[in-house]
Amino acid sequence: KQEVTQIPAALSVPEGENLVLNCSFTDSAIYNLQWFRQDPGKGLTSLLLIQSSQREQTSGRLNASLDKSSGRSTLYIAASQPGDSATYLCAARLNRDDKIIFGKGTRLHILP
Amino acid sequence: DAGVIQSPRHEVTEMGQEVTLRCKPISGHNSLFWYRQTMMRGLELLIYFNNNVPIDDSGMPEDRFSAKMPNASFSTLKIQPSEPRDSAVYFCASRVQGWGNQPQHFGDGTRLSIL
Repeated sequence: KQEVTQIPAALSVPEGENLVLNCSFTDSAIYNLQWFRQDPGKGLTSLLLIQSSQREQTSGRLNASLDKSSGRSTLYIAASQPGDSATYLCAARLNRDDKIIFGKGTRLHILP
Repeated sequence: DAGVIQSPRHEVTEMGQEVTLRCKPISGHNSLFWYRQTMMRGLELLIYFNNNVPIDDSGMPEDRFSAKMPNASFSTLKIQPSEPRDSAVYFCASRVQGWGNQPQHFGDGTRLSIL
């Protein structure tokens, strides 16, 4: 059974710093891995999706990497801003299956 | 471009009452997912449909929960009778089904409180 874990559960970082959020999954046979952002009282917004054949994806100040062999993905945020404060969730889509399994998220707070 | 629309946004009701949550997926999307989010358990998949057909309902917690998708533009999640432990935020998401790497698009959720 696929399990997705995100550590730490919460993180506070001064504005302007670069930071890394971590995601691990137990079954390396994933089809893709997604990073989402969730603001309070809102749904999830897809940030980046990495296919199993890819190693990383970039969008603006965000870079997501995928290492299937070690069961890890990271989300790198460069030059953090207060507007980056949110909960970030990773989700693994299983092969031959439309289901995606979510981690519990990392609650990020950028200190002005 | 309208996103996934859920209603109501908030629902407060007494235990034992029937609760119906509604979802309108993005036009053209043929996969629809219902999730439940709690602090303790995070985001859990309850059921998903492809082309209006339920594919996997293994996440539905009990027979008190049921979901339907009568057509491509509407789905309901019903709880009858409701219990306090059903209190959570329920999300609906949709995507284009298939092997392509299409992300899921989420609605803003229904915050359900059972007293």
